[in-house]
Amino acid sequence: DAEITQSPRHKITETGRQVTLACHQTWNHNNMFWYRQDLGHGLRLIHYSYGVHDTNKGEVSDGYSVSRSNTEDLPLTLESAASSQTSVYFCASSEFKGANTGELFFGEGSRLTVL
Amino acid sequence: AQSVSQHNHHVILSEAASLELGCNYSYGGTVNLFWYVQYPGQHLQLLLKYFSGDPLVKGIKGFEAEFIKSKFSFNLRKPSVQWSDTAEYFCAVNAGTGRRALTFGSGTRLQVQP
Repeated sequence: DAEITQSPRHKITETGRQVTLACHQTWNHNNMFWYRQDLGHGLRLIHYSYGVHDTNKGEVSDGYSVSRSNTEDLPLTLESAASSQTSVYFCASSEFKGANTGELFFGEGSRLTVL
Repeated sequence: AQSVSQHNHHVILSEAASLELGCNYSYGGTVNLFWYVQYPGQHLQLLLKYFSGDPLVKGIKGFEAEFIKSKFSFNLRKPSVQWSDTAEYFCAVNAGTGRRALTFGSGTRLQVQP
């Protein structure tokens, strides 16, 4: 079955360190997204990509970057981790073809703690 | 910019009670609407979605939602909840030509007591 896998599932890091969260999907979807989930805020969009070499900023993109070198992967990098980036991060993918109008398929999430 | 409001942050019900969770969005054009559920410790799963046609949409596990365009609302309902419905529920909207990212509400935590 097609799926989205995220790694690591849990990570503890220190302020100022660079962290990369991996996201790999086997749906062959063109669209990929990174969201963060925080209590009281729901899910907020960090970055997204509509295809290889395409990346776009979401509403909370400061301090994060992504790259899309192939269809399957969209790694999320925190250049210099801050305590405010302690959160649960979800990767998702979708496709707009025919009757499929953009339902998101989510990974299991990555819980990041920045000390 | 589009936004989604979920006014009920925490709802506590007894089993067999009826459920209605509110969702309002702000966008004047064509929208696609979704309800997702997140069970404790799990990722988000799609409950139901509205794209066009019949404004009453039926989803999995006995859930349904009604799209009322004049009220910019997409409320989620279930006639009789079960303990296993304890979860967090998110409303989401995809609005605007070419926009594919979903905007989510802040979520409603539902606790069903046996």
